[in-house]
Amino acid sequence: EVQLLESGGGLVQPGGSLRLSCAASGFTFSDYAMSWVRQAPGKGLEWVSSISGSGSGGTTYYADSVKGRFTISRDSSKKTLYMYMNSLRAEDTAVYFCAKGSPYRVSEFDFWGQGTLVSVSS
Amino acid sequence: DIQMTQSPSSLSASVGDRVTITCRASQSMGSYVNWYQHKPGKAPKLLIYAKSSVQSGVPSRFSGSGSGTDFTFTISSLQPEDFATYYCQQSYGSPWTFGQGTRVDIK
Repeated sequence: EVQLLESGGGLVQPGGSLRLSCAASGFTFSDYAMSWVRQAPGKGLEWVSSISGSGSGGTTYYADSVKGRFTISRDSSKKTLYMYMNSLRAEDTAVYFCAKGSPYRVSEFDFWGQGTLVSVSS
Repeated sequence: DIQMTQSPSSLSASVGDRVTITCRASQSMGSYVNWYQHKPGKAPKLLIYAKSSVQSGVPSRFSGSGSGTDFTFTISSLQPEDFATYYCQQSYGSPWTFGQGTRVDIK
């Protein structure tokens, strides 16, 4: 059974940093692309970042809204996905979901975690 | 960026009703459209991928269709567990964008 468990969320001041983690199990982690998708309070889903599987060289992709501030990475030995978030802004406040890519495309998200809440406020 | 315009934003329906949600893309994208279900406090769930392929384990009352820029998601007979928010998403090109969502609630 595929399981994705996010952690690392919390309250942080504007301009601060945070590291999110997503522990994966139930599939061969290195073979699949992984992504972060967020949902701001009362809003819809917004794709944030993706990283391809090891076979595709670990290529990274970012939304313009986080490019240069967020860094996605993965550790296949620990089966864990990370998101390093710097220069945080109030508009980054959201529940952050970790999602697994399908066997067919990086951007088909076939399993999701339940999310971790990031609040950016002074 | 590809914009996904989803409608309606909300609808009220009864158990047993047929429900249809549409999504219009700002450019043609072949079959690269997916549909998700999201309930509050839960993990979103992939229902339909590549326009019309039903994800494993998803009931057959869920279906997708369309072509070019216009795509449709249908629940043939609404069940109590289907009350949720539904999103379309394009997987054609980065940035991978979602529609605004359609909330389906009980009439």
